[in-house]
This record gives sequence, structure tokens and C-alpha cells, in this order.
Amino acid sequence: NAGVTQTPKFQVLKTGQSMTLQCAQDMNHNSMYWYRQDPGMGLRLIYYSASEGTTDKGEVPNGYNVSRLNKREFSLRLESAAPSQTSVYFCASSGHPNYGYTFGSGTRLTVV
Amino acid sequence: KNEVEQSPQNLTAQEGEFITINCSYSVGISALHWLQQHPGGGIVSLFMLSSGKKKHGRLIATINIQEKHSSLHITASHPRDSAVYICAVRFGGTGNQFYFGTGTSLTVIP
Repeated sequence: NAGVTQTPKFQVLKTGQSMTLQCAQDMNHNSMYWYRQDPGMGLRLIYYSASEGTTDKGEVPNGYNVSRLNKREFSLRLESAAPSQTSVYFCASSGHPNYGYTFGSGTRLTVV
Repeated sequence: KNEVEQSPQNLTAQEGEFITINCSYSVGISALHWLQQHPGGGIVSLFMLSSGKKKHGRLIATINIQEKHSSLHITASHPRDSAVYICAVRFGGTGNQFYFGTGTSLTVIP
């Protein structure tokens, strides 16, 4: 099925461990995004990529890095996980700024 | 400060009722996005609008640019409409970044 695929769906990390969240879309979208969702707060943008080869910081980039590997793939890396990074992470893509987003199914990350 | 406020936070309705969810924002926007988050967590885009009104099935979204306000209406509500409805806006001058409200949790009782 066409859409945005995120892996893994669940992950538990120990403080200080690193991991990469993977995201791939097969809709030929130019723009891709990483958001985090925390209880009582709206989705907050971590990083985005307006096109292949470009990335920009969003609202809450500290502690994260991203790579736009090609047009399809946009990964999010936590170099040294902290409990404050416990959250649900969503990847999204968009073909045009005036079109809606397509979201992945989310990754529930717990850092202990 | 760029702010997005949704009301109500929680809403319970009887099946068949007409439902309205509100979204207000603080400064001028270039686009407004309504999304639905299912109980399982998946997020689906419902509408993108910058003016006027859009309709899809039983869902209607309106926006009043002068009043900085948008509404999402659900006609003839059904238990399958139970979800969190999220408003997001792109403020003028912020590039392509959307700012999200905290959502309205809707429960429709049979």
C-alpha cells in the first residue's frame, strides 16, 4: 500500500543509548517531517526536509539529528537518548505545501 | 507568539448529533489543516484550507480569516467518528512549518 512507512513501531532504550528511526514514503513527495507527540501537547516539529538534500530545524531539534538519504527516506537519530525523549514519534510527507500531510503509523519510544 | 487553541478539549455526543469543534489562532496564517487521530494512534489528513469552506461526506470545515477562527462540523455523527481531531496552522512567514493544537477528543455514544 502506498504511504509512509515508519520503523520500528515500539522501542525501549536505556539512557545514553543511540538509535535511528527510519521513515520511507513511496508517493514521490518532496517534503518530509519528523514530529513528536507528548501528552497534553500538540505535535511538535523536530526537523523537516523540504526537498532531497536539504534539512532544517523545527521547534524542538535539540538531541536529534536527521538524514535525508534520498527522496524516499528520511531518518531521525538519537545519539544519546534521554528520558525527556520518551514520546511518540511521527514521520510525515507532503507533495506540496498546500496539500495535506500523509503520516506514518508512529513509533512509541520509551527511554529508561 | 504563534498559538493554536482548540475547543472543547473533550466532547461526548449521542449518535446522530451535529458536532462542532473550534480552532482559533493568534496571528495571520497561510493555511489551516484539520486532521483526525484514530484511537490506535494513526493520523489522517482531513482538510487543508486557506479560505471559505470545504466538505467531504459528513465533514465540513470552515474558516473565517478575519476572525482567525476555523470550525470542523460533523453531521449525523456515528460512533466510528470517535477520535481526536487536531487543528494545525501555518503562520505567515514561518516557511512550511505547521503549529498544532492539542486536539479535541470526541466520543460518540450509540
